[in-house]
Amino acid sequence: DQQVKQNSPSLSVQEGRISILNCDYTNSMFDYFLWYKKYPAEGPTFLISISSIKDKNEDGRFTVFLNKSAKHLSLHIVPSQPGDSAVYFCAASSRIQGAQKLVFGQGTRLTINP
Amino acid sequence: GAVVSQHPSWVICKSGTSVKIECRSLDFQATTMFWYRQFPKQSLMLMATSNEGSKATYEQGVEKDKFLINHASLTLSTLTVTSAHPEDSSFYICSATRGADRTDTQYFGPGTRLTVL
Repeated sequence: DQQVKQNSPSLSVQEGRISILNCDYTNSMFDYFLWYKKYPAEGPTFLISISSIKDKNEDGRFTVFLNKSAKHLSLHIVPSQPGDSAVYFCAASSRIQGAQKLVFGQGTRLTINP
Repeated sequence: GAVVSQHPSWVICKSGTSVKIECRSLDFQATTMFWYRQFPKQSLMLMATSNEGSKATYEQGVEKDKFLINHASLTLSTLTVTSAHPEDSSFYICSATRGADRTDTQYFGPGTRLTVL
């Protein structure tokens, strides 16, 4: 039962353009969402998060949008840079699931082409 | 700040042996540490949550007698895969948080790749 889904295993974007990574979830009890970035042979690093009381959170080039009715969130990166090439994971948590339990999607490999 | 290390980064062992993986928070005291497992092209699956000095809380379907977790200090947690079998071959990642709130950022280690022959 995959509660958090990233349906695109890979995405290729031209440098300077916008990268949009998508994530869908099925559990309506999720109320806190995060995006992590992972380079090969390294652990995931936290990028940005959003609480369900908001529909948008912005941090520099990164913006996360949350559509609760559609159970969908997206990460926008603009402008995309070569260093953004990595695997991106979305994750979700809920109070009911337990204090700090995160449920991860499968990841999307983003490649930024020069 | 907020660096988490894991040792070893990769290990190959024979079937039936036990393997210990260490997770350390290098520059902060970790209230809680987490152990995840990742199969190729799949998501990170939480195995267990551990707090210093107390027993780990295992996720459903994870055998606590097979995956022994010890959280002896605020900077060290260990995962021991006992009597390893080829199906235990996977990528094991730990994470740690400073606080107990669920919005506290989890800082991840680089992972340990276990191959059981």
